[in-house]
Amino acid sequence: GAGVSQSPRYKVAKRGQDVALRCDPISGHVSLFWYQQALGQGPEFLTYFQNEAQLDKSGLPSDRFFAERPEGSVSTLKIQRTQQEDSAVYLCASSLAGRWDQPGELFFGEGSRLTVL
Amino acid sequence: AQSVSQHNHHVILSEAASLELGCNYSYGGTVNLFWYVQYPGQHLQLLLKYFSGDPLVKGIKGFEAEFIKSKFSFNLRKPSVQWSDTAEYFCAAMNTGFQKLVFGTGTRLLVSP
Repeated sequence: GAGVSQSPRYKVAKRGQDVALRCDPISGHVSLFWYQQALGQGPEFLTYFQNEAQLDKSGLPSDRFFAERPEGSVSTLKIQRTQQEDSAVYLCASSLAGRWDQPGELFFGEGSRLTVL
Repeated sequence: AQSVSQHNHHVILSEAASLELGCNYSYGGTVNLFWYVQYPGQHLQLLLKYFSGDPLVKGIKGFEAEFIKSKFSFNLRKPSVQWSDTAEYFCAAMNTGFQKLVFGTGTRLLVSP
């Protein structure tokens, strides 16, 4: 497809389990972002990749959160030892623009809804 | 710290009414401003954006926004809403060179037919 694809769309995890969320950005998009959206809130920035380089991870809430984009395309967000407060929709977005380009349009996926019991 | 605030959390309008959603930002330096929309069950989509130049920006579906630097505002407007405009609207901002889009908390708009 032509859009940003995320999987799984829904994930239920027991507290303490590890989860992995996948993002397939639009082909050729340089920038990739992860956001966390809690119920009733706007998306909160987690981390930013330009190609395979993670240039900003200032929004990751704890060291249980880890993201990678090893080949500069697909990205995985991993959450270790999940807690109830991790329950949220995790959004992935991609953009043609690189860091020092004029900001481009971010194209968002539909998100992965994580529920931690 | 950089922040974006949206004043209205829920707005209910009748079809053909005019719409204005408030957005204020707190940023230093050159700021780029955006409005995104999320229709029920769909992903976030860009409505319009402001980088520089004419402070009145026109977007898709008849929406427009005005950048008022002195008021740190970027309010979204539409002269006549339709039922299909029912959605959640997010204002967002970014500094050039820092690829971090900061969102407001969103405004849920319900348009009754």
